[in-house]
Amino acid sequence: LAKTTQPISMDSYEGQEVNITCSHNNIATNDYITWYQQFPSQGPRFIIQGYKTKVTNEVASLFIPADRKSSTLSLPRVSLSDTAVYYCLVGVSVFYGGSQGNLIFGKGTKLSVKP
Amino acid sequence: EAQVTQNPRYLITVTGKKLTVTCSQNMNHEYMSWYRQDPGLGLRQIYYSMNVEVTDKGDVPEGYKVSRKEKRNFPLILESPSPNQTSLYFCASSSPGTSGDEQFFGPGTRLTVL
Repeated sequence: LAKTTQPISMDSYEGQEVNITCSHNNIATNDYITWYQQFPSQGPRFIIQGYKTKVTNEVASLFIPADRKSSTLSLPRVSLSDTAVYYCLVGVSVFYGGSQGNLIFGKGTKLSVKP
Repeated sequence: EAQVTQNPRYLITVTGKKLTVTCSQNMNHEYMSWYRQDPGLGLRQIYYSMNVEVTDKGDVPEGYKVSRKEKRNFPLILESPSPNQTSLYFCASSSPGTSGDEQFFGPGTRLTVL
């Protein structure tokens, strides 16, 4: 399973763009990159997923370079409510040949947004 | 409303007293799993199930049991709870998508074992 490395914490201010980078040097050919958001005492919530290049949805953008050894979650104009822990996961569904019925959650990046 | 529910949300018990935490999903998902979350350790998977009657161990299965008799339910059983099982527990479900899974998580169960 591909291991991921993220910064433990990041600080930002309201209205700024926040970029959280995740390193996954051992990503496999079939692996997808998925990001989750977790607020205190709540279950994680899916944010975005991608395989290569750029993916954008109403919440965030995900940038994946050609070598796929890293990825960057971009949150535009953050607000106080974006204060949360963000997890980067790398893997593929076991339904499609994944080696385990799970995408490994690491320790995540704790984002603190200040006014 | 599509959701994963867990009960109870909070539980305080004593060492050795068997307990069950229920998990139910209404999205007809094949895949369900249990995680525990501890400070500084992130989320760790306990057990998962790919479908009815199919379960397998995750990263930290010791001291836990699960069953999957129905597609919608995936209870977590602690036969003889110990204080080191004090934790925040999450149930999750997903269905095979076109790529990786998007897991839907329940609200969590905070368990304290005295």
